[in-house]
Amino acid sequence: AQSVTQLDSHVSVSEGTPVLLRCNYSSSYSPSLFWYVQHPNKGLQLLLKYTSAATLVKGINGFEAEFKKSETSFHLTKPSAHMSDAAEYFCVVIEGDYKLSFGAGTTVTVRA
Amino acid sequence: DGGITQSPKYLFRKEGQNVTLSCEQNLNHDAMYWYRQDPGQGLRLIYYSQIVNDFQKGDIAEGYSVSREKKESFPLTVTSAQKNPTAFYLCASSDRGTTGELFFGEGSRLTVL
Repeated sequence: AQSVTQLDSHVSVSEGTPVLLRCNYSSSYSPSLFWYVQHPNKGLQLLLKYTSAATLVKGINGFEAEFKKSETSFHLTKPSAHMSDAAEYFCVVIEGDYKLSFGAGTTVTVRA
Repeated sequence: DGGITQSPKYLFRKEGQNVTLSCEQNLNHDAMYWYRQDPGQGLRLIYYSQIVNDFQKGDIAEGYSVSREKKESFPLTVTSAQKNPTAFYLCASSDRGTTGELFFGEGSRLTVL
């Protein structure tokens, strides 16, 4: 069985400061992991994905995530938040079939 | 441009009525999915289809039905049996060769009056 836990339901940062969104997963096998972003009343857009290559994955819009197998974590970071980063973020795990498991989501607020 | 089109974007329904949400993709993807999104609960899988004329129930299929008669189309019917249908519905597709990456539509927001 697989599951995903996003440790923060809401993160608030000031513009220009770092952003950290935490994700832990449980998986019986080597998982593929994803981060998606969703702006209000929109679909989800892929930020980045890990598929057993490099453990540090770079995505779009300056985001990156590090896969740590020993900690079963896949935290998402960005060095400097921008107002346009205000959105909801989902951590997702897939284990070789077509059924993905989504975390509950983290809402990011960016203060001017 | 290639992508996924969902319609309608907003829909209101009276209790006891069935309603069908449309999902069309021109990405030539084999797999298509329907998810339901409620605040604070992430996305929950309703149905998915890996190939034409075949589909499987997801985690919350009760009160919903689907069909997959064409590769590019995967409509979802919300029936009167669904006890709490007010939600945001997202359709997605994926290609077999992309290790699970999903491409999403813009969503349909259903409100039951």
